[in-house]
Amino acid sequence: GAGVSQSPSNKVTEKGKDVELRCDPISGHTALYWYRQSLGQGLEFLIYFQGNSAPDKSGLPSDRFSAERTGGSVSTLTIQRTQQEDSAVYLCASSFFVRVGPTGANVLTFGAGSRLTVL
Amino acid sequence: GESVGLHLPTLSVQEGDNSIINCAYSNSASDYFIWYKQESGKGPQFIIDIRSNMDKRQGQRVTVLLNKTVKHLSLQIAATQPGDSAVYFCADQVGYSTLTFGKGTMLLVSP
Repeated sequence: GAGVSQSPSNKVTEKGKDVELRCDPISGHTALYWYRQSLGQGLEFLIYFQGNSAPDKSGLPSDRFSAERTGGSVSTLTIQRTQQEDSAVYLCASSFFVRVGPTGANVLTFGAGSRLTVL
Repeated sequence: GESVGLHLPTLSVQEGDNSIINCAYSNSASDYFIWYKQESGKGPQFIIDIRSNMDKRQGQRVTVLLNKTVKHLSLQIAATQPGDSAVYFCADQVGYSTLTFGKGTMLLVSP
């Protein structure tokens, strides 16, 4: 598609329920990222997929969080047994990883996010 | 990268003024910096980026300045317009690491 699509745009759930958030990256982008944005806060890195490499899961806050990327395209972020502190906007981004000079300049294109509210 | 922070959480300006949004970074190894703009209800949008081998880069109405000596980054917006009202994030990167974002500065432009 023309941009990064995320669904659902809004999700209200009860504490203890599992939720799945979906991300459709830009076609051809090899890198996909999940970030979390809490109210009035910056973007907290969660997980990163690059091509066929093992994902970088270093930002996942607990083992209740997991993500997968199928076929190198669509990604699903799953939060099990949701807690109230999981309430946030979950942002997905993708990029065509460009190596320029000694560093990997990497302009991310973000989706509009999925707002999760845990009651 | 290490944490990237902002000096001013909210900046209020009049339409037509020039705006300067500041950002301090802590990791001297950071070699790439980027600014994003986030409007209400939308995802962040790329504005401009700069590498550590540069100290200034200009775009359309925007300029990014990098001072590696004091680890400071700024975004200048010329002739600020109401449509520039948004939250602005700086982020840094070390080598091929993922970007580390700061908390953001809200820019409010009054007509």
